[in-house]
Amino acid sequence: KAGVTQTPRYLIKTRGQQVTLSCSPISGHRSVSWYQQTPGQGLQFLFEYFSETQRNKGNFPGRFSGRQFSNSRSEMNVSTLELGDSALYLCASSFAVGSYNEQFFGPGTRLTVL
Amino acid sequence: GENVEQHPSTLSVQEGDSAVIKCTYSDSASNYFPWYKQELGKGPQLIIDIRSNVGEKKDQRIAVTLNKTAKHFSLHITETQPEDSAVYFCAAPTGGYQKVTFGTGTKLQVIP
Repeated sequence: KAGVTQTPRYLIKTRGQQVTLSCSPISGHRSVSWYQQTPGQGLQFLFEYFSETQRNKGNFPGRFSGRQFSNSRSEMNVSTLELGDSALYLCASSFAVGSYNEQFFGPGTRLTVL
Repeated sequence: GENVEQHPSTLSVQEGDSAVIKCTYSDSASNYFPWYKQELGKGPQLIIDIRSNVGEKKDQRIAVTLNKTAKHFSLHITETQPEDSAVYFCAAPTGGYQKVTFGTGTKLQVIP
């Protein structure tokens, strides 16, 4: 079956702008999690959505937000971009019923803020 | 919250040798420990995982061991091959649902 897809793969923005990233999970998966990956901070959890509801959140400012649609596709938005937001943004999907389930990652969106 | 430490940060081995990567965690309630491999330009891929009710799990050349008392778990790769070269991450669940804390990563280089 098709894997997790993320669009766009690369994005260049300037400070102060906003950006929206998209993630399509594996068919049948209801959970989508978002992570930020940087050389300095590594992989950090942003938030998780399940059945259109955010059920967990990491320690990121309110400029980072997300949502999930009824077909489980998810978007994340970053407003008022800062240079430090330059990172690889990864989404991961899982079946997520019961105990912790395997997460399947997409290839990521590389965001560069100038 | 959970704190996951991973060592070493870089590891170079000769092809055919074994590689061992170690992680420690802080939350004694953690019960699931996945290992991910990330190749250049790709997202992390689960390679093996272990739940807290077992001490060891093997899958061909890859094995993971868990010591709940000491709160550490390790990844063992035997008979390494050049295609094993990648960054490896350990992880542990944090705060419920699908949230995990990742280790800082180990860059493994297998020298032909």
